[in-house]
Amino acid sequence: AQTVTQSQPEMSVQEAETVTLSCTYDTSESDYYLFWYKQPPSRQMILVIRQEAYKQQNATENRFSVNFQKAAKSFSLKISDSQLGDAAMYFCALGGGADGLTFGKGTHLIIQP
Amino acid sequence: ETGVTQTPRHLVMGMTNKKSLKCEQHLGHNAMYWYKQSAKKPLELMFVYSLEERVENNSVPSRFSPECPNSSHLFLHLHTLQPEDSALYLCASSQARDSAYGEQFFGPGTRLTVL
Repeated sequence: AQTVTQSQPEMSVQEAETVTLSCTYDTSESDYYLFWYKQPPSRQMILVIRQEAYKQQNATENRFSVNFQKAAKSFSLKISDSQLGDAAMYFCALGGGADGLTFGKGTHLIIQP
Repeated sequence: ETGVTQTPRHLVMGMTNKKSLKCEQHLGHNAMYWYKQSAKKPLELMFVYSLEERVENNSVPSRFSPECPNSSHLFLHLHTLQPEDSALYLCASSQARDSAYGEQFFGPGTRLTVL
């Protein structure tokens, strides 16, 4: 079975600062994919960033980047220059190539002005 | 309409009622999913459909009955639910079942309350 663990139920960061959200996972698959999703209050869940496990290079999307440590099964999300619009629940998810995604419990990110 | 839509957005029902949730995707995808999102718990995958065939059940109680009449529409039929079934029900779609083909696109969800 696949598992995803997000150990930070809530994080707070000052606007314009950098914050890192943690995620660890476990899978027996050799080929898999990792995702960070953002769910703003009362709004749809959207993809923030995606990482293919076979790629060594960390994915980046503008202010969002990941630190993918395959051996440690760690997949953290770094948000640089935090903005008020970044406030949301962030979910780490694991795709094993077959069906659906396995999600963590989420981290509630608060942006302080 | 674009993306993934869900109706209704909010639903309150008694334990003896029968209701249905509807999901429609306008992305030309071949796989659709139902997830349950409860407070302080990870999203739980309930059902997966690929090319209109159900491929995953995940031991969901029979009081939840999915239906996928075509690749664009997905329903979740509800009957004799329990209060613990109150949650946000999310529909998602992807190009194919395999996550190698990219992300899942989510609808806004239906907030279900069972009295």
